[in-house]
Amino acid sequence: AAGVIQSPRHLIKEKRETATLKCYPIPRHDTVYWYQQGPGQDPQFLISFYEKMQSDKGSIPDRFSAQQFSDYHSELNMSSLELGDSALYFCASRSEGGGNTEAFFGQGTRLTVV
Amino acid sequence: GIQVEQSPPDLILQEGANSTLRCNFSDSVNNLQWFHQNPWGQLINLFYIPSGTKQNGRLSATTVATERYSLLYISSSQTTDSGVYFCAATPLNTGGFKTIFGAGTRLFVKA
Repeated sequence: AAGVIQSPRHLIKEKRETATLKCYPIPRHDTVYWYQQGPGQDPQFLISFYEKMQSDKGSIPDRFSAQQFSDYHSELNMSSLELGDSALYFCASRSEGGGNTEAFFGQGTRLTVV
Repeated sequence: GIQVEQSPPDLILQEGANSTLRCNFSDSVNNLQWFHQNPWGQLINLFYIPSGTKQNGRLSATTVATERYSLLYISSSQTTDSGVYFCAATPLNTGGFKTIFGAGTRLFVKA
């Protein structure tokens, strides 16, 4: 079965650079979530999209932006990168919005800022 | 916002032992999931269990939504069960677009 695809799997950037993370949800899933997981931490909710519109927002820095495109894939854009942005970034998708269905997570993008 | 609390935070088991992990949540939810994060960081779905009881092999889970808790049972533990177990709850009053994780239970199973 198709899963959530994230790219790239690993990314190394320097401070003050920009990064773009991509997420391809499971086919027919219309809701996408982004999470940030620091070392030894639990995943922190950043932002979600439903039918290409932002549906909720968590602790996402102003330096980050995201969107969901017409084909339902999503991109997380991160600018002016800081050392503290080094983390594992997960994307998840589910169908039918509303939270009444199972969410599936991608394998994550490991971002290292040096 | 909703608080999701997991206990115990750390657990060391001898191979073959049984264990119970707990997840308490502070608000009504329309979704509760359990995940296993393996040493490579991958989040593996264990159970989608907003209410009731489910079993999958040596694992089972029970959610009592009215009392706002969920339990994950691991029987006959194996070394490959090691990792972090997370529960994640989707609050009823957010339209389902924000799923919050607990801090996790770190499990180490000794051979």
